[in-house]
Amino acid sequence: GAGVSQSPRYKVAKRGQDVALRCDPISGHVSLFWYQQALGQGPEFLTYFQNEAQLDKSGLPSDRFFAERPEGSVSTLKIQRTQQEDSAVYLCASSFRGSGSSYNEQFFGPGTRLTVL
Amino acid sequence: LAKTTQPISMDSYEGQEVNITCSHNNIATNDYITWYQQFPSQGPRFIIQGYKTKVTNEVASLFIPADRKSSTLSLPRVSLSDTAVYYCLVGTGATNKLIFGTGTLLAVQP
Repeated sequence: GAGVSQSPRYKVAKRGQDVALRCDPISGHVSLFWYQQALGQGPEFLTYFQNEAQLDKSGLPSDRFFAERPEGSVSTLKIQRTQQEDSAVYLCASSFRGSGSSYNEQFFGPGTRLTVL
Repeated sequence: LAKTTQPISMDSYEGQEVNITCSHNNIATNDYITWYQQFPSQGPRFIIQGYKTKVTNEVASLFIPADRKSSTLSLPRVSLSDTAVYYCLVGTGATNKLIFGTGTLLAVQP
């Protein structure tokens, strides 16, 4: 069975450009998460969707970051007017259950490495 | 969410048992303890989760003492392919977000 896929795997952007990162979760998974991982650090939470509803966006670093999941499956993370500090690996994860489950294993994709020049 | 503390790095040799201990002094009653593994250029992968005492699966064992203020991930007979970063996380499914620390880089040598 297919796992979580992300595209593109690598993205180079010039400062000021807009980028869009795609996540295809495991089919049937209710929850979808985005994380940002800087070099040498653990992943940091950005935002969470339960189906198409964005229930938590407390980790988005600025209003330049926007995420959507309009049909409750594929999700897109958009970064407007990219800055050098946005350079990182962006990880997407999905899980079968929604919020409130004590067992909530998350399945991660390989990530998109974004480099802003 | 409870903060976790674990060693930055550990070294081992092939065939040895490796134990990585994590401290979580402020763990809450409803919190579970979960370990993830991450290889370079890959996303983290769930290894094991437990609440108390001992949990074992085909990959690892997790030992949790009665006070739950620490936990130990045990990897039996490691191989070179076990070289990775191991993260200890504490929280509940209700919080949804996973809070990662910097993890423990395990280096297995031949």
